Amino acid sequence: DQQVKQNSPSLSVQEGRISILNCDYTNSMFDYFLWYKKYPAEGPTFLISISSIKDKNEDGRFTVFLNKSAKHLSLHIVPSQPGDSAVYFCAAVGGATNKLIFGTGTLLAVQP
Amino acid sequence: DTAVSQTPKYLVTQMGNDKSIKCEQNLGHDTMYWYKQDSKKFLKIMFSYNNKELIINETVPNRFSPKSPDKAHLNLHINSLELGDSAVYFCASSQRRQGIVGNTIYFGEGSWLTVV
Repeated sequence: DQQVKQNSPSLSVQEGRISILNCDYTNSMFDYFLWYKKYPAEGPTFLISISSIKDKNEDGRFTVFLNKSAKHLSLHIVPSQPGDSAVYFCAAVGGATNKLIFGTGTLLAVQP
Repeated sequence: DTAVSQTPKYLVTQMGNDKSIKCEQNLGHDTMYWYKQDSKKFLKIMFSYNNKELIINETVPNRFSPKSPDKAHLNLHINSLELGDSAVYFCASSQRRQGIVGNTIYFGEGSWLTVV
C-alpha cells in the first residue's frame, strides 16, 4: 500500500521557467511533509518542509503548497536552474506508525 | 566535514557472504536510521535507534542485524547475503524521533551493495 505517491516519474523544464512537482498521499493522519532532493550517487538532502497547520511554506526559489482536503502537495521551483536537475522525493510522517514514508521520486531535468 | 558518513560506498560480494556497513554521524543527533532503496526506487525504513535503543524494527529478514555501540554510530551487519539484498542502503540521523513535526532526517551518501 503506497501511502505517498509521485505519479510523474520525470519532468523536463526549460531554465528560468517554473518547475512543479506533485505528490499525493492517502493517510489523513499525516501531519508533516518534507521534500528531499537527491543527486546521483549521493544521499537525499532535505529541501523544504511544511506542517499540516499551514498551506504554504516558502524558502527562496522553493515553495511547497499543501492542500489537505485533496491530500495533495506540490513543490514549486522558480526560476528553475540546471543545478536543480535531480530526483525529488516527497515524504510524509504522522499517525500511528510515526514513520517517514517516501514517494518513489520524480526526476527533474532542467534544460539550459 | 561530512555530517552522516557511511562506509563502504560500494560493495560487491558473493552470495552467502557476511558483510557490514558502518555509519557515523557528527551532528550530535539522538536518533539514527537505516533505510533501503530497492530496484524500484522505493526508499523504506529498516531500523531506527534512539540513544542506542532500538525503536523501529521493520519486517526485514533476521539476517540483518543493526548494532549501535553509541549514539553516534549505527552499523548494519548482513549475514548469508542473497541476490535480493542488492540495493542502496542509506544511513540517516535526526535530532529527535520520527513523527515529531519539525524533525528533519539527514542522510548519508549511501552504500551500493551488489550481491553476485
